Amino acid sequence: DSGVTQTPKHLITATGQRVTLRCSPRSGDLSVYWYQQSLDQGLQFLIQYYNGEERAKGNILERFSAQQFPDLHSELNLSSLELGDSALYFCASSVVGGDTGELFFGEGSRLTVL
Amino acid sequence: KNQVEQSPQSLIILEGKNCTLQCNYTVSPFSNLRWYKQDTGRGPVSLTIMTFSENTKSNGRYTATLDADTKQSSLHITASQLSDSASYICVVRASYAGNNRKLIWGLGTSLAVNP
Repeated sequence: DSGVTQTPKHLITATGQRVTLRCSPRSGDLSVYWYQQSLDQGLQFLIQYYNGEERAKGNILERFSAQQFPDLHSELNLSSLELGDSALYFCASSVVGGDTGELFFGEGSRLTVL
Repeated sequence: KNQVEQSPQSLIILEGKNCTLQCNYTVSPFSNLRWYKQDTGRGPVSLTIMTFSENTKSNGRYTATLDADTKQSSLHITASQLSDSASYICVVRASYAGNNRKLIWGLGTSLAVNP
C-alpha cells in the first residue's frame, strides 16, 4: 500500500460526458502528479501540483483540468469525453516540490468511455 | 531532445533464469535515474535510484548499473520468480530548472516469467 488513495477505481461513461477523478496523497506529501496510461502504452505525464499551486504541465488536453485543494487532495476533471480518453489514470505524490524524490503511485482509476 | 529508450520491448524467460533489461537515455543535464516495477493494472513502484556517482546498486535480486559516460543503465534480475512478471520502467530526471518535463519516462520492458 503506497498510501495514495484514488477514487473511483473503475468508471464507465459515455462520449461527451464529464467525470472527476479524486486523489488523496500520502500524509505529508505536498506534490501531486497525474499520469495517463492508455492500453499497452507508457505513462504520459499530465500535470503536477505543489501545495495547491500548479508546478508543471505535460501533455494535458484543454478538455482536462485539475486542481489541488487546501487539504492537499487533488481532482482531475475530464470533460467532453472521447473514446480515446479510455485509459488508466494514475495519481502519484512525493515529499518535495521538485522531481527529486520518489513518486508513490495510487492504484489508478480505470476510465472506460463507450 | 530528451529521450529514454528501453530494450527489449518485451521478454519471456523461464522461472529461475536471469535477465538484463537495458535503458539508454539522452537526457542532459542528468540528475538521477530510477527503475520502477509496474504490475499489470497497478501503479509503478520504485526499485532503485542511481545517481551520477553510482555505478552499481542492488535491491535483493535486482541489480542496477549506470554508465554515465555512455548514458546507459541496466537492470539485472537474478533467479527470476513468477512474481517478477511485470513492466519495468526506466525514468530519468533532468536537473535543469524551468522545464515542464523534468522526469522523462521510458516506455518500459514487459517481462513475463513462465514456470
